Amino acid sequence: QPQLHQSGPGLVKPSETLALTCTVSGDSISSSSYFWGWIRQPPAKGLEWIGSVYYTGSTNYNPSLKSRVTMFVDTSKKQFSLRLNSVTAADTAVYYCARLTPHYISGLHYFDYWSQGTLVTVSS
Amino acid sequence: IVLTQSPGSLSLSPGERATLSCRASQSVKSRSLAWYQQKGGQAPRLLIYGASGRATDIPDRFSAGGSGTEFTLTISRLEPEDSAVYYCHQYGSSLLTFGGGTKVEIK
Repeated sequence: QPQLHQSGPGLVKPSETLALTCTVSGDSISSSSYFWGWIRQPPAKGLEWIGSVYYTGSTNYNPSLKSRVTMFVDTSKKQFSLRLNSVTAADTAVYYCARLTPHYISGLHYFDYWSQGTLVTVSS
Repeated sequence: IVLTQSPGSLSLSPGERATLSCRASQSVKSRSLAWYQQKGGQAPRLLIYGASGRATDIPDRFSAGGSGTEFTLTISRLEPEDSAVYYCHQYGSSLLTFGGGTKVEIK
């Protein structure tokens, strides 16, 4: 089964860019079956999908964050990354990376494997 | 698609049955609804996909069903380790969304 391991700073200053990387092991990030996504969870709140990326670089972002989000894949390093610019305190959250796998009938993708998450705090 | 979960929380005894509801603001395409369990400080764990399919290694006391705008997760014979927050998630539209969660407490 795949393992997803995140890396990146846990503290980001307001107005700066949050940058996280997720390294995939035990699976091929270049598989045509999967998408790779980011989800966040503010403290004591629910889950919010940020966006998803395919190994070709194709992306799908949450419209509420689209103007500030960039995602990309580095297949040679088995990594996919998130950049969120112009952060504010409202972006403080635990950030998860996850794999999206296709349903065997519909072909639509749902999250199956998740990383352990990284708390990113936005503060000066 | 906005997902509304109810109740917000429930407290039950071991061995009892828990019934969690997830209502969608519009029909969920192809029953593209998943359920996740999240225990304190942990990542969500996939329980159910495709509205009723149990994920790998999920005990059969977890069952789910529904279609359209109404979905249900049932936990029969509650055990202490089922104490968690449960989220529904729709993936039938290009904008993926999650419900607000139901907290299940085991007395």
